[in-house]
Amino acid sequence: KQEVTQIPAALSVPEGENLVLNCSFTDSAIYNLQWFRQDPGKGLTSLLLIQSSQREQTSGRLNASLDKSSGRSTLYIAASQPGDSATYLCAVRASNFGNEKLTFGTGTRLTIIP
Amino acid sequence: DTGVSQDPRHKITKRGQNVTFRCDPISEHNRLYWYRQTLGQGPEFLTYFQNEAQLEKSRLLSDRFSAERPKGSFSTLEIQRTEQGDSAMYLCASSLTGGLGQFFGPGTRLTVL
Repeated sequence: KQEVTQIPAALSVPEGENLVLNCSFTDSAIYNLQWFRQDPGKGLTSLLLIQSSQREQTSGRLNASLDKSSGRSTLYIAASQPGDSATYLCAVRASNFGNEKLTFGTGTRLTIIP
Repeated sequence: DTGVSQDPRHKITKRGQNVTFRCDPISEHNRLYWYRQTLGQGPEFLTYFQNEAQLEKSRLLSDRFSAERPKGSFSTLEIQRTEQGDSAMYLCASSLTGGLGQFFGPGTRLTVL
């Protein structure tokens, strides 16, 4: 059974700092990995998706990397801003045909201090 | 707005009542998913549809829960005889076959008193 872990559970950093969020998964047979952002009481916003054959993806100040063999992904946020404060979730999709569900971690709650 | 929409956004009900939620996916997406999220946890998969066919159901989906997608467009999730443990955010997502990830709606927050 796939298990996804995100450490730390919460993180506070001063505005302007670069930061890294971590995600690990137990079964390396994944189809893709997706990073989401969730504001309090809201739905999920997709940030980046990395296919199993890729090593990284970038969007603006965000960069996500994937090391499938070690079961790890990181989300790097450059030059953090107060508006980046949210919970960040990673989710993996298994590689076997017909297995469509995403398995989520419990998230990292990020607070950017102005 | 052409994203995933869900209705209602909030629902408060008394224990034992039935509730129904609706999800409208992104129009060209043929796959639709339901997840449940409790406070402080990541979303957990409930079920998914490809067009109108329900292809997988989690064991979390007890016999009090039923989901439909009658014409392969919108979907409904019904909970019968609600219990306090059903209180959660119910999230809907959609995707294309072989597409790039799942896209989520704003969720329906259910509170069972």
